[in-house]
This record gives sequence, C-alpha cells and structure tokens, in this order.
Amino acid sequence: QKEVEQDPGPLSVPEGAIVSLNCTYSNSAFQYFMWYRQYSRKGPELLMYTYSSGNKEDGRFTAQVDKSSKYISLFIRDSQPSDSATYLCAMRTNAGKSTFGDGTTLTVKP
Amino acid sequence: GAVVSQHPSWVICKSGTSVKIECRSLDFQATTMFWYRQFPKQSLMLMATSNEGSKATYEQGVEKDKFLINHASLTLSTLTVTSAHPEDSSFYICSAGLAGGRTGELFFGEGSRLTVL
Repeated sequence: QKEVEQDPGPLSVPEGAIVSLNCTYSNSAFQYFMWYRQYSRKGPELLMYTYSSGNKEDGRFTAQVDKSSKYISLFIRDSQPSDSATYLCAMRTNAGKSTFGDGTTLTVKP
Repeated sequence: GAVVSQHPSWVICKSGTSVKIECRSLDFQATTMFWYRQFPKQSLMLMATSNEGSKATYEQGVEKDKFLINHASLTLSTLTVTSAHPEDSSFYICSAGLAGGRTGELFFGEGSRLTVL
C-alpha cells in the first residue's frame, strides 16, 4: 500500500469551474503538506505549503488539511485554461524525505 | 522563490555513452539536493539524495555505479548516467531545499529529458 494516494484523474472541467484535487495518506507522522503544479515537460513548481490542519488560501487556490482523516485537498476557484497541468500532492515528516502522490492531470476547457 | 537550474534540458545520446546532467541552485546554497526520475504520466521517483561533500544516498533499487552523483559545491550537483541504454531514457529532475527554509519545501529544476538511441 502506498503511503500517499492521489485521485488519479484525468480531470476535465469547463473554464470557471471549481476544481477539487484530493490525496489521502496513511503515515500519521506526516507534518508538512505541499501541492505542486507541473506543466508538461517541466519541473514541478510549489503552489501551496501547509503545516497544520485547516485551510490556507492564496488567490484562487485553497489548500485544506484534515489530519484526523489523513486527507488533504486543493481547491481551484474560477479555473482557467492556464491551470491545465498535472498537480502533485507531497508530504513529509519532520525528518524524512518528501513523498509524492502520483499526480492528477487537469484540463480546463475554454 | 529560489531558482534551481538544470542543464541540459534535452539530450540524445547513443547507447553505451555516458551523459552528465547538472543541477545548480542559482541564488541560494543547497547542502542537499535530490534527484528524481519521472516516466510519462507517472509521479516523481526519488533516485538519490545528494549531500555536499559526502557520498550520495541512493534509494533501494537504484544502481549507484550506473547513476553517479557528485555534489562538489553548495550550488552544484551532477548526475552522470554511465553506459546509457534505451531503458534509461526518462525525464530526470533535481530539487533543492532552502537551508533554514520551510521543512519540505523544495524547489525544482526544469528537468532534463534523456533519450538513449
């Protein structure tokens, strides 16, 4: 069983839709939670970084962490075609390496 | 954010040759860098952790004699794929964390696509 499971997708939505991307995890020692965006043939770029349970908002992006359920989400409001990419969740313990989900490919259609 | 640069971004080589990929932290010092491999439509697979001034730590199943890692300075790590074969064709990505920065926050290079003929 993988430590991090990510909704596989692919996901296709119309422009302006609200997108929900989700990951679950099994290691209760994970303390740091990240979302990365990766465009085709490019390296990942950090979108959101959270440390504790709760919500964190940055523009159209909201990251949500529920440690009790071992569940994290990334919401994208008013999605744009430029949001089309693969989104990777990642998490890490205090001392360990980052563990990545397999990614969800999102397509936002104009 | 911090910038990590990889070079070359694209390389094609003949089977049996060796290829070197460089990873540089441009505006910060990185005592630790990470090397990943990514196959199409799959996530990042950590290959090794590169530590400045010491030997790299390889993940299980990664051949250290095949994938040579050198982290000679605080801003440069190199990955050399030795005696490359077509099955080594992949997208190789490096990352680095900012010393004193947020734990787990990594900055990634643009990736290097290797095609072995």
